[in-house]
Amino acid sequence: AQSVTQPDIHITVSEGASLELRCNYSYGATPYLFWYVQSPGQGLQLLLKYFSGDTLVQGIKGFEAEFKRSQSSFNLRKPSVHWSDAAEYFCAVGARGGSEKLVFGKGTKLTVNP
Amino acid sequence: DTAVSQTPKYLVTQMGNDKSIKCEQNLGHDTMYWYKQDSKKFLKIMFSYNNKELIINETVPNRFSPKSPDKAHLNLHINSLELGDSAVYFCASSQEIVGGHTEAFFGQGTRLTVV
Repeated sequence: AQSVTQPDIHITVSEGASLELRCNYSYGATPYLFWYVQSPGQGLQLLLKYFSGDTLVQGIKGFEAEFKRSQSSFNLRKPSVHWSDAAEYFCAVGARGGSEKLVFGKGTKLTVNP
Repeated sequence: DTAVSQTPKYLVTQMGNDKSIKCEQNLGHDTMYWYKQDSKKFLKIMFSYNNKELIINETVPNRFSPKSPDKAHLNLHINSLELGDSAVYFCASSQEIVGGHTEAFFGQGTRLTVV
């Protein structure tokens, strides 16, 4: 069964600073990988996904993530954070050819200081 | 035009009551899900349906009964509500593809508060 670890519960950055949110997964093969964002009181919005191919994935709102098989990681990055990026970020892993379910990490709360 | 919509958005009810949450998707997807998000924001799958058939039931109490009248709808009925059922419930959908599924699209959530 797949699992996801997001080591950072809460991260604070200043507006304009760069951001990296960590995600490590456990799965026996190459999984499907996702990053979702949840603003307060809102549902989950997909930022980006990795299915296959280029290991550097571009998403919406200027986010990108890199799949590193050797490190079982899928870290999310943004070069310059905006105040509107303050939200909860979830990494998720899906199994290939198996169960449809997504397994989510526990989330990282991002606070952006002016 | 909302892709995955669920109603109601907020639900406050007393212990012991029975309540339902409805979900509809207009994406043409063949798979729908219910996820539960607890007070610590942890998201866990409860059920998934593929073409109206139950595929996943993640050890959820049998007080929770999903029903899928067609592949565009997945409702969640909860009997004898308990305080511990208070959470945000998310409906989602995805499409089966070769080798797995597309990403899941989520509704806005239903915040259930049991008092």
